[in-house]
Amino acid sequence: DIQMTQSPSSVSASVGDRVTITCRASQDISSWLAWYQQKPGKAPNLLIYATSSLQNGVPSRFSGSGSGTDFTLTISSLQPEDFATYYCQQTNSVPLTFGGGTKVEIK
Amino acid sequence: EVQLVESGGGLVQPGRSLRLSCVASGFNVEDYGMHWVRQAPGKGLEWVAGINWNSGNLGYGDSVKGRFTISRDNAKKSVFLHMNSLTAEDSALYYCGKAGIGTLWKVVDFWGQGTLVSVSS
Repeated sequence: DIQMTQSPSSVSASVGDRVTITCRASQDISSWLAWYQQKPGKAPNLLIYATSSLQNGVPSRFSGSGSGTDFTLTISSLQPEDFATYYCQQTNSVPLTFGGGTKVEIK
Repeated sequence: EVQLVESGGGLVQPGRSLRLSCVASGFNVEDYGMHWVRQAPGKGLEWVAGINWNSGNLGYGDSVKGRFTISRDNAKKSVFLHMNSLTAEDSALYYCGKAGIGTLWKVVDFWGQGTLVSVSS
């Protein structure tokens, strides 16, 4: 199975900050990586698929990059509604696996 | 408007079975794969099972393989998760998810609100 490791597990940031979250796969997954946002008490929401494709309706301040085993989610200018937990997921092969999550907190 | 409504959760004793249902609307269900993803209280996301549009491609997470079965009934616009030999480790909020189209069937692009399963004696 492919293991997904996210870092950091939490980050404190201020509105307007640039935030970067990293996800590493235990083996090559090409560009088959998705990112989800989850707010407390809510279902997750797809942000990005295939490493860098923005889901419809997701603000352009979110972007994704990477390939192979190393991937990044960047929020260019953090907004109040972006405080949440973010998960990466490899969509290369079954069983699909998620990273452990990164909680973005208010500094 | 896409909607996914899960049901069937509840309190069940260890070793017993439970069937979760997910009714979909707002899209052509027969064209899309579907998934179940769970989240234990205070924990991260765990993919449970997925099924493609015609049931020709199924997959399971390691922790449920051999105990859980995913199925679908396109005529009823429904997806099911049959769960056997339940243990306390299966206690979680179970989300039904709509997959992306075609090669993106392993991406969950829309999530229901979940149904809670608690396994306890």
